[in-house]
Amino acid sequence: AQKVTQAQTEISVVEKEDVTLDCVYETRDTTYYLFWYKQPPSGELVFLIRRNSFDEQNEISGRYSWNFQKSTSSFNFTITASQVVDSAVYFCALEGPGANSKLTFGKGITLSVRP
Amino acid sequence: DAGVTQSPTHLIKTRGQQVTLRCSPKSGHDTVSWYQQALGQGPQFIFQYYEEEERQRGNFPDRFSGHQFPNYSSELNVNALLLGDSALYLCASSTGWLGAEQYFGPGTRLTVT
Repeated sequence: AQKVTQAQTEISVVEKEDVTLDCVYETRDTTYYLFWYKQPPSGELVFLIRRNSFDEQNEISGRYSWNFQKSTSSFNFTITASQVVDSAVYFCALEGPGANSKLTFGKGITLSVRP
Repeated sequence: DAGVTQSPTHLIKTRGQQVTLRCSPKSGHDTVSWYQQALGQGPQFIFQYYEEEERQRGNFPDRFSGHQFPNYSSELNVNALLLGDSALYLCASSTGWLGAEQYFGPGTRLTVT
């Protein structure tokens, strides 16, 4: 069975601070995909990034960066110089092949960025 | 280009009643997935439709059923509503699955009293 654990439940930072959101996953599949989604107060989930299990290259996109490590089954997300607009719930999700071909989400991390 | 749309936005029903939620996928998308998100939790996969067939189902009872139409739009039906069915119901569309980016709608907030 697939499982995603987001141990942090709520994080509060002051604007311009860097913040890292942790994600640990469990799967027996060798091929799988990992995702991060953002859910602002409006409720609509917004796709941020996707990584497949064969691509451990870390990525930076503007103020966002992702650290994927298969050895520790982690896919962490860092926001640099956080802004108030970053306040939202962030979900990590896992998808595998076959019967696991569905998004399995973690419980989410509520990020509050204070001015 | 319209994204994923869902209707209604909010709904209040009584225990035992039946409800139908609707979803129109993003243009060009042929796969629709439904998720239930209870307050303070992550979305839980209900089922996925492709070519008008249910191709994948999560751990939800048969009270939850769905349909996909030839134009790829979809409905989620819930019978014999329970208080525990109160949640945000999210629809997502994509082209295919494994690794596909899913675009989510704004959701339907269902309250069962």
